Amino acid sequence: NAGVTQTPKFRVLKTGQSMTLLCAQDMNHEYMYWYRQDPGMGLRLIHYSVGEGTTAKGEVPDGYNVSRLKKQNFLLGLESAAPSQTSVYFCASSYSIRDRGSYEQYFGPGTRLTVT
Amino acid sequence: GDSVTQMEGPVTLSEEAFLTINCTYTATGYPSLFWYVQYPGEGLQLLLKATKADDKGSNKGFEATYRKETTSFHLEKGSVQVSDSAVYFCALSDRGNTGFQKLVFGTGTRLLVSP
Repeated sequence: NAGVTQTPKFRVLKTGQSMTLLCAQDMNHEYMYWYRQDPGMGLRLIHYSVGEGTTAKGEVPDGYNVSRLKKQNFLLGLESAAPSQTSVYFCASSYSIRDRGSYEQYFGPGTRLTVT
Repeated sequence: GDSVTQMEGPVTLSEEAFLTINCTYTATGYPSLFWYVQYPGEGLQLLLKATKADDKGSNKGFEATYRKETTSFHLEKGSVQVSDSAVYFCALSDRGNTGFQKLVFGTGTRLLVSP
């Protein structure tokens, strides 16, 4: 049971380049999330998904797109990277409230992205 | 919207000292409250939680009590160890307008424990 995994762990991009971050979970969780972590700002929700084939915007969605084609995977895309997107990105997953009645998220180890 | 306020860090302690990290929240309704811990180079891990007023969450010697009257969820440990050095995040679950519950995090408090 690997939990939540993220690839890659590190990446350096030039401004304008694109990339996709992959998140995978093996806990059969319904919900998945992408956060970014910046110094002094805690974690901010970028996009989330409440099930296969559905996605929604979080707090800071601009400049990012996501897809959830399979229940276990959640992809985060940057179409044209900007220096402001330099951050640490975390993926998380959770059961739905109706399934478990509680609400806790399981996090991946993070991806450190630098945009120059 | 809902929000979480944590004390600024870093908090620097000697081993075996008593720890308190303050957390207060603003919320409509009755959120669940959480403490997450992030060890260097790792993702966040749930440390403890409380789902209703007066509940006490506890794990690994850490405790926090959900105080509705003071809107607080302070983290405490009686005797810290060097291995407790990490960043601690307070969070609440927020149902929001869509009915979907999401976590709202504080900015995190770094704890440094020296031998």
